[in-house]
Amino acid sequence: QVQLVESGGGVVQPGRSLRLSCVASGFSFKNYGMHWVRQAPGKGLEWVAVTWHDGSNKYYADSVKGRFTISRDNSKNTLYLQMNSLRAEDTAVYYCARGYSSGSTGEFDIWGQGTMVTVSS
Amino acid sequence: EIVLTQSPGTLSLSPGERATLSCRASQSVSSSYYLAWYQQKPGQAPRLLIYGASTRATGIPDRFSGSGSGTDFTLTISRLEPEDFAVYYCQHYGDSPLTFGGGTKVEIK
Repeated sequence: QVQLVESGGGVVQPGRSLRLSCVASGFSFKNYGMHWVRQAPGKGLEWVAVTWHDGSNKYYADSVKGRFTISRDNSKNTLYLQMNSLRAEDTAVYYCARGYSSGSTGEFDIWGQGTMVTVSS
Repeated sequence: EIVLTQSPGTLSLSPGERATLSCRASQSVSSSYYLAWYQQKPGQAPRLLIYGASTRATGIPDRFSGSGSGTDFTLTISRLEPEDFAVYYCQHYGDSPLTFGGGTKVEIK
C-alpha cells in the first residue's frame, strides 16, 4: 500500500525547535522528489520545501528559509523537516507529499495525513 | 514567484449543477504541463485531481475536467455529486517556489 505517515508534531514554545518525520512505504522512495506543505488553521495550502530524490538539491519558501531544513534518508525511506526558531505563524498542519518526478517538478500525487504543529507560549 | 488567484472564493450550487472554477496566474506558466488541481475535504489531506492542466489523475471521475494555458486555467465539474462539495486548489509546480492558489470553496446551495 502506497502511503506516507508523518509524525513529530506537537506544542512548542516560540524560538524552540522541532523535527518532523515522514515515513514512506509501498513505492521506491529514493526515486522521487519529496515536499513539505503546510496549512495554517482555516487557511489555504502553502508549499514549504522540496528535496530532490538524492538530496542533491533543496529549495525553500522565503517564509522558512534559514530556519527550516529539509533532508532525507533513503536507506530508511524517511523524509525530515528540522524546524528551528519557530514562530507563532508557523502553527499549521504539516503534510509531506510525493512529487511525481525525481526533482522539484511533478504533481503531488501522494500525501500524508498531516501532523499538527502549534507554536505557543 | 508565480501568484495564483482563484475565483470565486465561494461557489454555492446544487447537486447536479455545473461548477466552473478559475485560476489565474500572475505570469505565464512556463509550461502548462505544470498546473495541477487538488480537492480537499474537512480534516483530510488534499487529493490530486488534475495535472498537466488537463489530465485526470488515477481514479478521478470524468465529470472533472481541466483546461487552459498561459495564465488562465479552469476546473469544471460537469454535474456536482454530493461528495464534490469541498475546497479546490490550483497549483503551479514548475519552478521553485511552487505556489498554490487561495482556494475555491464549493458549497451546497
